[in-house]
Amino acid sequence: QVQLVESGGGVVQPGRSLRLSCAASGFTFSSYAMHWVRQAPGKGLEWVSVISHDENKKYYADPVKGRFTISRDTSKNTLYLQMNSLRHEDTAVYYCAKVGRSYAFYDSLDVWGQGTTVTVSS
Amino acid sequence: QLVLTQSPSASASLGASVKLTCTLSSGHSRYAIAWHQQQPEKGPRYLMKLNSDGSHDRGDGIPDRFSGSNSGTETYLTISSLQSEDEAHYYCQTWGTAIQVVFGGGTKLTVL
Repeated sequence: QVQLVESGGGVVQPGRSLRLSCAASGFTFSSYAMHWVRQAPGKGLEWVSVISHDENKKYYADPVKGRFTISRDTSKNTLYLQMNSLRHEDTAVYYCAKVGRSYAFYDSLDVWGQGTTVTVSS
Repeated sequence: QLVLTQSPSASASLGASVKLTCTLSSGHSRYAIAWHQQQPEKGPRYLMKLNSDGSHDRGDGIPDRFSGSNSGTETYLTISSLQSEDEAHYYCQTWGTAIQVVFGGGTKLTVL
């Protein structure tokens, strides 16, 4: 079945870096744009970043622009989020999600992972 | 700037129906909307997508107790025959080249 599994979360000090991974299975990974969405404790969902199916387009929400980098490795069916210069306000559960239509850049997010927790604390 | 507005909370009795609302900010009436459910301590689950023409597509395995409709700037998620496991947060989502991805603030549904 279609599945997304995130990993790489943890506790990190402000200013440090962390790389999240999202392993995809059950669908043709190379045909779908992928997104990262986060959820701070007790808060709602916040969009973070998107990468096109062919990696040619990448966009970021303003709060993470210049600090986070999204990438993907089609040979490994894996999505990544490199997070640098982490701040307290980056503390959240991070979810990866797949778009609903192949080759679409923006669409409904029709499959979600279970999330990985990032805590930025000194 | 496009904003999706949802009531923070809603409640309904076991076995009854409830209608949740997601309102697009003025001037933005022709966006498709998706609904997601997030049960306590779980990741979001995609429920359905409503196109601007009113047609909708439910996600795999989503029962037909969940239905959607829209009117102008308002999009609705109706859940009938409420069950205890329907107690969750419900988020609406929209998207586009100019707006990227936008979520509503979510509605916490309590099943009485």
